[in-house]
Amino acid sequence: QKEVEQDPGPLSVPEGAIVSLNCTYSNSAFQYFMWYRQYSRKGPELLMYTYSSGNKEDGRFTAQVDKSSKYISLFIRDSQPSDSATYLCAMSKTGGSYIPTFGRGTSLIVHP
Amino acid sequence: DGGITQSPKYLFRKEGQNVTLSCEQNLNHDAMYWYRQDPGQGLRLIYYSQIVNDFQKGDIAEGYSVSREKKESFPLTVTSAQKNPTAFYLCASTSGQANTEAFFGQGTRLTVV
Repeated sequence: QKEVEQDPGPLSVPEGAIVSLNCTYSNSAFQYFMWYRQYSRKGPELLMYTYSSGNKEDGRFTAQVDKSSKYISLFIRDSQPSDSATYLCAMSKTGGSYIPTFGRGTSLIVHP
Repeated sequence: DGGITQSPKYLFRKEGQNVTLSCEQNLNHDAMYWYRQDPGQGLRLIYYSQIVNDFQKGDIAEGYSVSREKKESFPLTVTSAQKNPTAFYLCASTSGQANTEAFFGQGTRLTVV
């Protein structure tokens, strides 16, 4: 079993829909949770960063962490065609080297 | 502007040839990483370095080599021993401490011809 599991999709939604992207993980030592957006042939860029459990909101994006279930989510409200990209979750743990562990990424397509 | 610069953007390698991918950062980050990205497989860690003159193998280090002579620079050499080098290569950096995010370069697309 991989440390971080993420459905690769593709996930296709109409413009304006609420999108839910998810990752599960197995290592309870993970404390830092990140979401990256990657456009085709570009490097990933950080979207959201949360520590431990709880919610964090930034504009149309909400990141949610449920450590008891080892489950994290990224919600996108009022999705736009420009949101079409691959979304990668990443996690790192306290102690040691803090090397982030990445999910495979979910491909999102928002069609007009 | 602070960031990570990878060059070249596209690189072509002949069979049996070594090639070197450049990665430079001006973020004053201690830790740097090289990832390989193949379609449907996400990011796989090749090598990482947490301090100058020290580096560690990641999950898929065979056929690759790195050096870290300067804090700002972490070049990756793809050797002829790497049998399937065609991929998208990403360099990243972090401060090396807790509570920080990874910054990525724009990637190098390597193709074997």
